[in-house]
Parts: sequence; structure tokens; C-alpha cells
Amino acid sequence: NAGVTQTPKFRVLKTGQSMTLLCAQDMNHEYMYWYRQDPGMGLRLIHYSVGEGTTAKGEVPDGYNVSRLKKQNFLLGLESAAPSQTSVYFCASSYQGQTRRYEQYFGPGTRLTVT
Amino acid sequence: AQSVTQPDIHITVSEGASLELRCNYSYGATPYLFWYVQSPGQGLQLLLKYFSGDTLVQGIKGFEAEFKRSQSSFNLRKPSVHWSDAAEYFCAVGGTKYQAGTALIFGKGTTLSVSS
Repeated sequence: NAGVTQTPKFRVLKTGQSMTLLCAQDMNHEYMYWYRQDPGMGLRLIHYSVGEGTTAKGEVPDGYNVSRLKKQNFLLGLESAAPSQTSVYFCASSYQGQTRRYEQYFGPGTRLTVT
Repeated sequence: AQSVTQPDIHITVSEGASLELRCNYSYGATPYLFWYVQSPGQGLQLLLKYFSGDTLVQGIKGFEAEFKRSQSSFNLRKPSVHWSDAAEYFCAVGGTKYQAGTALIFGKGTTLSVSS
């Protein structure tokens, strides 16, 4: 099992450019999440999905879009990158269920710099 | 509102000494509580979790945590710290703010340094 993988690992963008971060999991998890991590802020939820074809907003969704066309993949898009989106992005996934949904498995992260 | 507070931003402990990292939560019902560890440049690894039952939970790498409802705390402990424990530690609570209560709410983290 590869677990949760993220592509790319690093990326530098110029302001206004667009990009897509890919998250893939091979554990047949129903739920998937995108978090961003900033110094001194912990992890904050951007968007999440409770199943294929469904997405919902988290705490900090502005400037991001997501899609879950396949159960194993969760894409995070930046349509017009801004320096405030410089961050480390983590994808996570979990099973559904009363308690299992909270046991989240994290990917290694994508370090994004917007200049 | 649901929240998690980690009062200590940075802690330094001598190798072999004991460790306690503090975590306080704000939550109306019985919380689901977690501790994650993040080594530099790495993702997050689950150390331990509390759902119900015994309030002292054991985790990986020799860590344990105690849930104290009266103090709204879930402090992480280790009796003897190793240099490899140097990392950032996050406390989290399973929230219900979002649909189906799926998301974790994280504290801001405590960075642990280990001195020789």
C-alpha cells in the first residue's frame, strides 16, 4: 500500500498562475480532505469530500476549488495564485463510520511558494 | 465554538528526561481526541487517540496521554525522551462543525527540541 500520495512535492508559482495539486489514496477511503499548514497556525481545513462526486467547504476555502471525480483521487486547484497561498498543503483520507472517520491518514505534503 | 489550545509553542527537554505536552480543548460533548507528530519535512503521523473508555491511552513510540474531562485536557507524556522525538506535536479534536462531523480541528502545535 502506498497510502496517501501527493503530487507534486514542491512547486513555485508566480502570482496569477494556476495549478492543480493531486492527492491519491489506495485504501478505499470514503472521506478525503485538504488542509493547509502555516507557521504558528496548525492545520486548517480547506475543502473536504465525503464521497465520490461530493465536495464541501472547510474553514479556509476562498481561492481554492476541488473535485472528486474518482473515489481514490482528490484534486485541489488554485485558479489564480496569490502570495497568501504560500503554504504546505496536506491531503488526508479516512474511512466513514462514527469513529473511523476521525482516524485520518496524511500524505507527505506539497510545499507551494507563490512569488 | 470547538477549539484546541496548546499553550506551549516550544519546549526543550534533555535526553532521558520526562516529557509532558499540554493540550486543552473546548467541546460540548464527549470529544474524540488525537495526538499527531510531524518530523521536519514530513507528513503527520498518528501517535494515539481517545474515543471513550479508559482515560489513559497508550500510543506508539512509548507515548501515552490522559483524558481529564474536568480539566478539558488531553496531555501527552513520555517517561524518557530520545533525541529522535524532536519534532512538532499537534493535538486535535474530532469536530462536528462540518458535514457529518468529519473534520479534525488542530491546535497550533508544540515544537519539541531535545538537548544532549
